[in-house]
Order: sequence, then C-alpha cells, then structure tokens
Amino acid sequence: DGGITQSPKYLFRKEGQNVTLSCEQNLNHDAMYWYRQDPGQGLRLIYYSQIVNDFQKGDIAEGYSVSREKKESFPLTVTSAQKNPTAFYLCASSTQAGSDTQYFGPGTRLTVL
Amino acid sequence: GEDVEQSLFLSVREGDSSVINCTYTDSSSTYLYWYKQEPGAGLQLLTYIFSNMDMKQDQRLTVLLNKKDKHLSLRIADTQTGDSAIYFCAETIYGGATNKLIFGTGTLLAVQP
Repeated sequence: DGGITQSPKYLFRKEGQNVTLSCEQNLNHDAMYWYRQDPGQGLRLIYYSQIVNDFQKGDIAEGYSVSREKKESFPLTVTSAQKNPTAFYLCASSTQAGSDTQYFGPGTRLTVL
Repeated sequence: GEDVEQSLFLSVREGDSSVINCTYTDSSSTYLYWYKQEPGAGLQLLTYIFSNMDMKQDQRLTVLLNKKDKHLSLRIADTQTGDSAIYFCAETIYGGATNKLIFGTGTLLAVQP
C-alpha cells in the first residue's frame, strides 16, 4: 500500500528533552511538509522540503529542526528550545512543492509532561 | 494578509444536507481544497476545485466557488453519522521560493441521528 506513515502515534516528553518524530512516504513524492495543529486552530507550517538535502523554514520553525537525507524520509526534531511543544503534528507530501495536492499522514500527538 | 475563515461548528440531522462555508484571501489561488479530519487522525483529501471552475460535483459532495466574493462552500448531500468530523478548507498562496497551503481553522460537523 502506498502512503505516508508517522510514528509514534503518541509521544510523551519531559521538559528539556529533544524528541524526533518520524515521517516516511512511499509515494515517490518530491516534497514533504511538517505542520502543527493546536485545538481550535488551523494547521501551521513548520518546515518543508522540496528535494533531498534541501529544506526551508515555514511560519513557525523556531524550536524545531529537520533533515532530508532520503527522498522517503523527513524526520522532525522538537528541541528543548520549543517553549510550547504539546500539539498534534502532521506530516504531508506532494509530487512537487506547493503546486500540487498534499497528502497527509495519520499524525503524532506529542505531550510534554 | 493570509487568512482563511470558516465557521467553527455546524449541526445537522442525519439525511439532511450540510453546507460548510469558507472565505479566502488570495484571488490568485489556483486550487482550493477541502480536507476531512476524523478524531485523532490525519487529514483526508476530500476534493478540490480549480479556480476556473464554478462548481464541482463528486458523488454526495458539491463544491461551489464564487471568485468575486472569494467564497468557497462544500455541500454534503444526505449527511450520514460517518460524516461527523472537522472539515478544513485550504487555499494555495503563491510567492517566494515555493507555494504553500493556508488552512482555515476548521468546521466541526456534528450529525445527529
């Protein structure tokens, strides 16, 4: 089955710890995205990547980092510098950056204890 | 600025039609999207409409686009309890290094049996 997978589904972090959220796609899509969703708000773009070894900051990149070493994978690290990390994180991909429809993974819910 | 607005809540009875409304800001948006999110899940692409169209129908879904008023609507015919979810509209914003999707805050559709 083709699609986007995210793991883990639920993640708990202590304050001061870095955590990494996984996103993998087997759709052969060039572009990948990370969004954050908070209750009552729309999705906000954290980072995106148009091709391997390239990525750009979105609207709320502070406290996050990403890498794109493989076309299939776009992991997101939530660092201790992110002051309010508790949220639902969604990964998406599209055949080309911005100009094509984005398909979403199932999400990871991160809770800071 | 970039702002996509939706009403927060809609309640309908099973079998009735539902109409979810959205206003967007960028008149140059080429594609406008409707996504569905069930509890604890990622976003599922429902449908999209190209900006040179006024209407698109896909089974129980009808999308209407009024470019003059920058108004988009999603009509669900014969609404079922399984349609209960949050519905997001999104517009494509052009500019800079890439295009990006701007999401509304989402409309929670509650279907009463």
